[in-house]
Amino acid sequence: GAVVSQHPSWVICKSGTSVKIECRSLDFQATTMFWYRQFPKQSLMLMATSNEGSKATYEQGVEKDKFLINHASLTLSTLTVTSAHPEDSSFYICSARDHDPPPANQPQHFGDGTRLSIL
Amino acid sequence: GEDVEQSLFLSVREGDSSVINCTYTDSSSTYLYWYKQEPGAGLQLLTYIFSNMDMKQDQRLTVLLNKKDKHLSLRIADTQTGDSAIYFCAESMSYKLIFGSGTRLLVRP
Repeated sequence: GAVVSQHPSWVICKSGTSVKIECRSLDFQATTMFWYRQFPKQSLMLMATSNEGSKATYEQGVEKDKFLINHASLTLSTLTVTSAHPEDSSFYICSARDHDPPPANQPQHFGDGTRLSIL
Repeated sequence: GEDVEQSLFLSVREGDSSVINCTYTDSSSTYLYWYKQEPGAGLQLLTYIFSNMDMKQDQRLTVLLNKKDKHLSLRIADTQTGDSAIYFCAESMSYKLIFGSGTRLLVRP
């Protein structure tokens, strides 16, 4: 159980393109999903917390107009990198937490990540 | 401040035990986690421990928690080549996870 699916797994696109990444919880409902960015050989950096039915909470230094997050249902959150540039190239990983029982008792389950390469 | 520290690299021989160490800073963390990341993949939850526990064992994995010293360790018994990966410890802070830098485990045949 507790499977999180992330799509696409790898995308290459031209500078200026907007790219959408999907994160789905397959066998549980997730009130809260998280979006991380990981640079090569580094740890995960939390970008934002996505709450179903409300606005995402962004970490300091993360541009909300650049990284648009939508969490329209209990099983789907999307991250859109708008007008992507080479410096946005990175590995993006989502995670989700089961909403029942209370979140404090639930670990985060991660997707397999999306490798984004902007030419 | 928020800081979770791990050693960067560990090399062991196949069949030996591996011990990966982690120190954290927030004494109010309720849960502490160990995740495994293989190349090009996301994070796989290995195990987690509640802060009022000292030890948790799950098959080949043993987690030890020293709350006084804010020290967490993961022991992998009978380490196999398939265990080669990066291991992240993480502490819970409110609804967030704070990750360490990751320990790269290399298992030599």
